[in-house]
Parts: sequence; structure tokens; C-alpha cells
Amino acid sequence: EAGVVQSPRYKIIEKKQPVAFWCNPISGHNTLYWYRQNLGQGPELLIRYENEEAVDDSQLPKDRFSAERLKGVDSTLKIQPAELGDSAVYLCASSFGLARDEQYFGPGTRLTVT
Amino acid sequence: DQQVKQNSPSLSVQEGRISILNCDYTNSMFDYFLWYKKYPAEGPTFLISISSIKDKNEDGRFTVFLNKSAKHLSLHIVPSQPGDSAVYFCAASAQGAQKLVFGQGTRLTINP
Repeated sequence: EAGVVQSPRYKIIEKKQPVAFWCNPISGHNTLYWYRQNLGQGPELLIRYENEEAVDDSQLPKDRFSAERLKGVDSTLKIQPAELGDSAVYLCASSFGLARDEQYFGPGTRLTVT
Repeated sequence: DQQVKQNSPSLSVQEGRISILNCDYTNSMFDYFLWYKKYPAEGPTFLISISSIKDKNEDGRFTVFLNKSAKHLSLHIVPSQPGDSAVYFCAASAQGAQKLVFGQGTRLTINP
């Protein structure tokens, strides 16, 4: 069974530029999460989807971040414009049901904003 | 406001000995706890979990202990193996919150 797929794995951009990350969850997993992991910290939830619906986006900086999950499968997270403080690893995870269930993480996208 | 804290950024243990990783939490509404393990350039992988109705859960070489009165949990790895070298994250969730809160992680190094 394929795991959570993320692309790109690495991205370097200049500040004020836009950037997008893509995630393909494990087949059959209806819950999808985007996390941000700053250096030396644990993952912090940005947004959680149940199928197509964003059910928790309270930690998503909505002035510059947006996300979508079309058809309840793949998801895209976008930052526009990027700031220096956005440099981090962006992790996507999926689970079959509730957040208490085991979440399967992708390898992440390491973003560097210069 | 760090609700889940792992106060040891790193830990070094001799191969074959016991590794003990600690985690403290402040939110009394947390009732489910998990440990994740992360290798470089990979995402975290689930290791073991425990519900607040228990004080111990064991899976092979891994045991998690929960002390609710102290708001403390620990992960014991016995015996430690070189492949256990990784960053370990403690995470917690509250009933109905549908959200995991992670600690900062502890880097475990197993020395041969």
C-alpha cells in the first residue's frame, strides 16, 4: 500500500513569491491534515479536512495561506506571498477516521524562504 | 502556551540499555496520548498510544507509562537498538477535540 505522497520534497523561493504544496493521502483515508514543523519543534496543525470539508482551520493564517481538497482526495496548500518566517517543513498526514486514530505522515516539503 | 512539553532535547544511551523518554502536559482535558518516531527526511510514524483509563501500555520493546496525577508520561525502550536512533515526539488529544498537540521532540541516539 502506498503511503502519503507529497511534492515537492524541497522548495527554495524568495520572499513575496507564491508557493504550493501537493499531497495525495492514503487511499480510503477520509481525513487529511496539514501540519507545519518549525526547526526544533513538533508539528503544529494548520488545517484538517474531513472529505472535502475543512473542519478545523483555526490555526491557518488566512491572510496568506489557503488550502483546498477537491473531490475529497488530493489536497493543495498555498502560501502567497511567502515570508521569511514561513521557512519550515510542511507535513501532510491522513487517517481513516478520527484524529485519535493513527495518523500516517508523508515525508514533508522543506520550504526555505530567502 | 506549550501544552505538551518534552524537556530533554536529546538523549544518548548505550546499545542494550534502557531508553526513557519523558513528556509532560498541562491540559487536564487530554485523555489520549501517542508517541511518534521520526527519522531524518521522513515523516513521523506512529509508535504506541495510551488512553487515560490505563496507566501502562506495552508493545514489544516499547512501553508507555501514564501518571495522570503528575500529568506525565514516559516511553521506555528495552533493550535499545541502533535502529531506535531517531527523534521521538509525544502527542496528546482531548476528547472531542479531534486534534493532536505535539511536544518539541527528543533526539535519541543509541551508541554501539
